[in-house]
Amino acid sequence: QVQLQQSGPGLVKPSETLSLTCSVSGGSFSSHYWSWFRQPPGKAPEWIGYIHFNGNTNYNSSFRSRATISVDTSRNKFSLNLASVTAADTAVYYCARQNVFLDEAPLDYWGQGTSVTVSS
Amino acid sequence: DIEMTQSPSTLSASVGDKVTITCRASQTIETWLAWYQQKPGKAPKLLIYKASTLHTGVPSRFSGTGSGTEFTLTISSLQPDDFATYYCRQNFNYYTFGQGTKLEIK
Repeated sequence: QVQLQQSGPGLVKPSETLSLTCSVSGGSFSSHYWSWFRQPPGKAPEWIGYIHFNGNTNYNSSFRSRATISVDTSRNKFSLNLASVTAADTAVYYCARQNVFLDEAPLDYWGQGTSVTVSS
Repeated sequence: DIEMTQSPSTLSASVGDKVTITCRASQTIETWLAWYQQKPGKAPKLLIYKASTLHTGVPSRFSGTGSGTEFTLTISSLQPDDFATYYCRQNFNYYTFGQGTKLEIK
């Protein structure tokens, strides 16, 4: 059974860097793409970016200058760093798997979500 | 960026009803469209991908149709567990979600 387990702080100060990690168990970590999303209260999820096992990344243009996604292939983990956060970055953050073995590679497994508040 | 517009934003229905949610893309996305169900405090759950393919384990009362710019999600006979928020999501060009449809008990 595939599981995505998120970790990271729930409170970040303005101007600092938000850092989250997603640990993957089960399935093939090397085959799929791994994404980060966020969901502000009462709004739809918003894609931040994704990474492949080989290190290739792609980002939403809205986050390209502040977001960095990295992968630790030895530990089946991937991480999100979002720099220079403001109150507008307050949201629930999710990691998710893009399943390349299904047609059109849908997002089929998600982490449990991390509620992040940006406040001093 | 591709914009996804869902309608209605809120839908009130009763157990046993048949309901349909519509999603419109701002440009063609072929069949690169998925539907998700989300309950409060939980991650989205994949229901349908490639516009009409039912994901493993999803009840057959859920169905999806459409291609190009117009898509629908239909629940044939509402069950108590179905009251939630539903999102469409395109991945023709990266990812964009619709604004959501909240399905409420009438």
